[in-house]
Amino acid sequence: NAGVTQTPKFRVLKTGQSMTLLCAQDMNHEYMYWYRQDPGMGLRLIHYSVGEGTTAKGEVPDGYNVSRLKKQNFLLGLESAAPSQTSVYFCASSNYPTDTQYFGPGTRLTVL
Amino acid sequence: AQSVTQLDSHVSVSEGTPVLLRCNYSSSYSPSLFWYVQHPNKGLQLLLKYTSAATLVKGINGFEAEFKKSETSFHLTKPSAHMSDAAEYFCVVSDQRDSGYSTLTFGKGTMLLVSP
Repeated sequence: NAGVTQTPKFRVLKTGQSMTLLCAQDMNHEYMYWYRQDPGMGLRLIHYSVGEGTTAKGEVPDGYNVSRLKKQNFLLGLESAAPSQTSVYFCASSNYPTDTQYFGPGTRLTVL
Repeated sequence: AQSVTQLDSHVSVSEGTPVLLRCNYSSSYSPSLFWYVQHPNKGLQLLLKYTSAATLVKGINGFEAEFKKSETSFHLTKPSAHMSDAAEYFCVVSDQRDSGYSTLTFGKGTMLLVSP
């Protein structure tokens, strides 16, 4: 039981490049979330999903897209990376009735 | 809307002395409250969770937190700090919707420094 895993762990992009971050969970959780962590800001919600095929915007969605084609996977895409998207990205999952979210190890992204 | 304020960005203690990390929250609902810990270059680990069953919540590694509704506080304490406690701590409030999913609001974090 791996819990929540994220791929890749590190990535460096140039401005304007695109990439996709993959989150996978093996706990059969219904709900999945993408956050970004910036120094002194805590974690802020980018997008979330309440089930396969559904997504919704969080607090800071601009510049990101997401897809949830399979229940166990939640993808975060950057179509045209900007230096402001340099951050650490965390994925999390949870399941009713508990509201406890379980976090992945994070992806450190640098945009030059 | 919900919000979380961690009153100290940094707390420094000596090994073996008590730890107090302060958190105040606001929520329109009866909230769930969490403390998460993040060690350097690591992910987030759940320390403890309050869900209204008991106001004093015990967590892992000797930490506990007390929910005080009148003060809208959820402070984290530990009687005796250990070097391995050095990390960043996040106070979090949850707004669980009727449909089951939750939205978490994070405080900005408190960095705990432990000196020998």
